[in-house]
Amino acid sequence: DAGITQSPRHKVTETGTPVTLRCHQTENHRYMYWYRQDPGHGLRLIHYSYGVKDTDKGEVSDGYSVSRSKTEDFLLTLESATSSQTSVYFCAIMSPRYEQYFGPGTRLTVT
Amino acid sequence: AQKVTQAQTEISVVEKEDVTLDCVYETRDTTYYLFWYKQPPSGELVFLIRRNSFDEQNEISGRYSWNFQKSTSSFNFTITASQVVDSAVYFCALITGGGNKLTFGTGTQLKVEL
Repeated sequence: DAGITQSPRHKVTETGTPVTLRCHQTENHRYMYWYRQDPGHGLRLIHYSYGVKDTDKGEVSDGYSVSRSKTEDFLLTLESATSSQTSVYFCAIMSPRYEQYFGPGTRLTVT
Repeated sequence: AQKVTQAQTEISVVEKEDVTLDCVYETRDTTYYLFWYKQPPSGELVFLIRRNSFDEQNEISGRYSWNFQKSTSSFNFTITASQVVDSAVYFCALITGGGNKLTFGTGTQLKVEL
C-alpha cells in the first residue's frame, strides 16, 4: 500500500470557522492532489501540487487554499467553512508511472 | 481535452454471474494511460490497474480481466463469477503522457446479490 495518510479522518465544524486538512506521504512523490467527492458529482479536483511551494488550481478551487512546504505534506485550508463544503475529501499522490494512490479520506461536516 | 464515459450508472447481478463494466474514453493524444479504481462501501479508493496506450494486450488478474481496444476507445472491465465482496463503485480514469491531472468517469455502482 502507498504510504499516504490524512488527518483528521472526521471533523465537524461550524460555518465560518477555518479548517485545515493534512495529507502526509512517505513515498517522496512530486505530485499531490486534493479532491472532494459528493453524491452525483464523482471526484472533483480542488488543487494539486507539483513540488514544494508549487501548486495549481483544479476545477473547484473557490473557497480553498493549499500549501506545501515539505515534499511529504500537503495542506488544504478552508478559510471560512460553508455548508456547501460538507464533503468527503481525498488526498492522492501520483507515482512517476502516473498511478494515483489515494488516502483514506476525511469526512467533513460543516453545520 | 479528455473525457471518460461510464454509461452504466448502476448494475445489479446475482452472485456467480459474470459482469462487464464499460469505459469509453476520448483523447487526441497518442500517449495516454488508463486506470480502474474500486471504491467499496467502506469508502477508500483502491487502485486496480494501469494500462498504457501502446499496450493493447488484455490483462487478467484472478477473476478480474480488462479489455483495451484502441479501435473503439474502450477499456472495459470484466468480473468473472462475481461475489458479494465485488459490490462497489468502479471508476475508470485517463491521463495523457506528460499530463498531471486524471480525468475520471462518473463511476458505475455494482451490486452483487446472493
